Amino acid sequence: AQSVTQPDIHITVSEGASLELRCNYSYGATPYLFWYVQSPGQGLQLLLKYFSGDTLVQGIKGFEAEFKRSQSSFNLRKPSVHWSDAAEYFCAVGFLYGGATNKLIFGTGTLLAVQP
Amino acid sequence: EAQVTQNPRYLITVTGKKLTVTCSQNMNHEYMSWYRQDPGLGLRQIYYSMNVEVTDKGDVPEGYKVSRKEKRNFPLILESPSPNQTSLYFCASNPLGAGANVLTFGAGSRLTVL
Repeated sequence: AQSVTQPDIHITVSEGASLELRCNYSYGATPYLFWYVQSPGQGLQLLLKYFSGDTLVQGIKGFEAEFKRSQSSFNLRKPSVHWSDAAEYFCAVGFLYGGATNKLIFGTGTLLAVQP
Repeated sequence: EAQVTQNPRYLITVTGKKLTVTCSQNMNHEYMSWYRQDPGLGLRQIYYSMNVEVTDKGDVPEGYKVSRKEKRNFPLILESPSPNQTSLYFCASNPLGAGANVLTFGAGSRLTVL
């Protein structure tokens, strides 16, 4: 069955430090991959997406992610974390049906805390 | 502004009292869907709709109903809510064609069933 795994439930980093959030997926075909961020009490904001082509994708707020087919991974990175990055991050795989995404399978999320 | 609007944002109700969470999008999107978010489980799809009068079950449809009578609206109906439906609910929409793979989410509706 298709699934998304985020092995880290909670991560704490110091402000200015680098960040990598892990995401592994199980999917039979080339996946459509997404990272979303949810700030406390807020909805979901799309950080970046991968559909095809260059396996290193750039997103908003200085985030990037790399698709590695051999490892079935799509890890999110940021070189220098800001206090405002504290939030919950979700990795997701998209399924196509009828010409558009009809469903996202989400990971369970990684809660990021940023220390001063 | 292009957006997905959900109402109410917060609701406390009692077991068995029917309720409806409305969802409306102003982007003329064909696809709409509902998700629920629970701690440790991420978001799971409840129902989706590919167009007017076309709906289908997602991964956790039990206890929910939906309808799609107009393209812009996709209400979520809980006929007889139970405490296990206490959750944070998100509506989303996406188009066919350009941008078909990217969902726009509403701000969420936090429901508590006592």
